[in-house]
Amino acid sequence: QLQLQESGPGLVKPSETLSLTCTVSGDSLSNSPYYWGWIRQPPGKGLEWIGNMHYSGRHSHNLSLKSRVTILLDTSNNQFSLRMSSMTATDTAIYYCVGEWDFGNSYTWGQGILVTVSS
Amino acid sequence: QTVVTQEPSLTVSPGGTVTLTCASNTGAVTSGNYPNWFQQKPGQTPRALVYSTSNKHSWTPARFSGSLLGGKAALTLSNVQPEDEADYFCLLFYGGAQSHWMFGGGTKVTVL
Repeated sequence: QLQLQESGPGLVKPSETLSLTCTVSGDSLSNSPYYWGWIRQPPGKGLEWIGNMHYSGRHSHNLSLKSRVTILLDTSNNQFSLRMSSMTATDTAIYYCVGEWDFGNSYTWGQGILVTVSS
Repeated sequence: QTVVTQEPSLTVSPGGTVTLTCASNTGAVTSGNYPNWFQQKPGQTPRALVYSTSNKHSWTPARFSGSLLGGKAALTLSNVQPEDEADYFCLLFYGGAQSHWMFGGGTKVTVL
C-alpha cells in the first residue's frame, strides 16, 4: 500500500528557501505511473495545488507559484522534494505531499507538515 | 489566471439533499477537466470522494454522487447524515502547454 511521509523544517525565515522531502513506501518512483506532487493549506483556509512531477520528466506547476517552485525526484532514495524560494508569511501552511494516478483514480496523501514562516 | 469557484457554505437538514457546484472562469467544466472531489473534516487530511466527474472510490458512501450540471461540476449528497458535515473541495485539471490542476475555494457543509 502506498504511503507518503513529509519531512523538513517546521520554521523558515522570511526570504529563505523552503526544502521539504517526501519519502515514498509501497511503490518505486522509477517506472511508477504516479505523479508525485505537493499541495498546501494555510491555517483555516482552503487547499492550494502547488505542482507535480512524473518519473518521465513530465511536470506541472501552479502558474502563480511556478517561478518559486522546484519539484525533484530522487529515485535512488525513493523520495521527492519541494523547494520554494522567497518565502513570506503568506506561505505559512500545512504542506502535503501526494501521489496521484490516472487523473485522481488513486490519490494518496501524506499526513502533512506545518511550515511557519517567521523571523 | 485560472479561478475555480465553489459555494462558500451550504446548510442541509439530516436526511435531505444538497448539491455543491464547481465552476471555472475559463468556461464550462467538462469531463476533460477530470473533476475530483475531496472531503475534509477538522484536523484531518482531505479524503478523496469522486474522480473523473462521477467515479467513486471504494470507500465513498453511495449517497455521494458526482456529475456535470449546467456547465459546472457537481457533487450531490443525498440522505445527508450528521457525519457529512465537513469542508468539500473540488479539483479541476487544465490541459495544454502549461497543464495544471486548480482547487476551488471549498464549501462548508453544515448539517442541522
